Amino acid sequence: QVQLVQSGAEVKKPGASVKVSCKASGYTFTSYGISWVRQAPGQGLEWMGWISAYNGNTNYAQKLQGRVTMTTDTSTSTAYMELRSLRSDDTAVYYCARDRNYGDAFDIWGQGTMVTVSS
Amino acid sequence: SYVLTQPPSVSVAPGKTARITCGGNNIGSKSVHWYQQKPGQAPVLVIYYDSDRPSGIPERFSGSNSGNTATLTISRVEAGDEADYYCQVWDSSSEIRVFGTGTKVTVL
Repeated sequence: QVQLVQSGAEVKKPGASVKVSCKASGYTFTSYGISWVRQAPGQGLEWMGWISAYNGNTNYAQKLQGRVTMTTDTSTSTAYMELRSLRSDDTAVYYCARDRNYGDAFDIWGQGTMVTVSS
Repeated sequence: SYVLTQPPSVSVAPGKTARITCGGNNIGSKSVHWYQQKPGQAPVLVIYYDSDRPSGIPERFSGSNSGNTATLTISRVEAGDEADYYCQVWDSSSEIRVFGTGTKVTVL
């Protein structure tokens, strides 16, 4: 079946970096993109950015520009999201979601990865 | 940037109809998607392109979009519909995705 499986929970210190993976299966990886969405504890959903699995084009949310990098490995159908210079307010559950682009909905979601930033 | 405003909460008795609004400037010109999120779970798509339902989503879920307001309607509400609901659009001018503020639906 079509699914996205994410890597496990992470605990990081302020100033460190984290890299979360999202492995796709059940569909042609390069026919879609991947959006990353995060949710701080008790808060709403925040879109972080999008990457095309076809050509690697990216589009990042302005507030994260310079701190986030999204990549894909088509040989393993895996998308990655790296966030640098972590702060306590980056503590959140991070989701990947399938997103074809041009206004399509996020039809498949990963299970989420908890990232805790604490000294 | 584009802002989507939802009521923080909606309460509804079982069997009744819940309507969740999503307000945005001329949102009727955009395509709206809706997600349901239960505690501790990832969001699930319940309505896409204003009013289409993915397979497996009950017909009780419907959507509309016009003017400055999009609406998700849940008919014959059940206890299992209790969740947070988020609207979402794509801003074509910047190609960014925007989520609404979210609405907690409580079944009385």
